[in-house]
Amino acid sequence: DTGVSQDPRHKITKRGQNVTFRCDPISEHNRLYWYRQTLGQGPEFLTYFQNEAQLEKSRLLSDRFSAERPKGSFSTLEIQRTEQGDSAMYLCASSSRGETTEAFFGQGTRLTVV
Amino acid sequence: QKEVEQNSGPLSVPEGAIASLNCTYSDRGSQSFFWYRQYSGKSPELIMSIYSNGDKEDGRFTAQLNKASQYVSLLIRDSQPSDSATYLCAVGASGGSYIPTFGRGTSLIVHP
Repeated sequence: DTGVSQDPRHKITKRGQNVTFRCDPISEHNRLYWYRQTLGQGPEFLTYFQNEAQLEKSRLLSDRFSAERPKGSFSTLEIQRTEQGDSAMYLCASSSRGETTEAFFGQGTRLTVV
Repeated sequence: QKEVEQNSGPLSVPEGAIASLNCTYSDRGSQSFFWYRQYSGKSPELIMSIYSNGDKEDGRFTAQLNKASQYVSLLIRDSQPSDSATYLCAVGASGGSYIPTFGRGTSLIVHP
C-alpha cells in the first residue's frame, strides 16, 4: 500500500512563471485535498475533489490557482504568474469514502518564488 | 468561518512527563477530530482520530473529546525527546464534505 505521492518535492521558480504540481493519492481513496502551509501556520485549505469533481474551493484562492483531477485519479495544482507570496509548502492529502474520514498527507512540494 | 484554535506554545516538558495539548473548535456539527504530528520541514502525520465523546487510547497517546464544550485534547504519556514536534489539531467539517480544518499547531519540546 503506497502512500500519497507528490512531485516535485522542491521547486524554485522566478516570479511571473507558471508552475504545476502533481499528487497521486492512495489508490482506493476518492477524496483529495490540496492545502498550503507557511512557516508557523497550520495547513490552509485550498480545494477539495470527490472523484473527478471539484466540490469546494477556498474563497481565499486567487484566480491564478487552478486544480484538476481527471478521471478521479491523480491531481494537478497549477499556479500561474507566480508571486513571492506564493512561496509555501503545498500539501496534498487523500481520504476514503465513508464516515471514517482520516486524511493522509503526501510529502509536500516546497515552492520558492524568487 | 470554521475555526480551530490551539495555543502555539512552545510547551516544554521534561522527559517522562505527561504532555497535554488542547484544541477548541467552532463548528458545532463536526463529527470527526484528528491529531497530526509534524516534524520541522516534513508533512503532517496522522497519529490519532476520535469521533465519539470520551477518551481514546493508542499506546502512549490518549485523545479526549467533549462535543458539548467543543474541546479536543491530546495527552502524551512518558514523553520522549523524539516527541518534540508541532502537533496539529484538525476538525472535519459538518455538512458532508468532511474537509479537515487545521489549527496553527502547538510546538512541543521534550527536554532530557
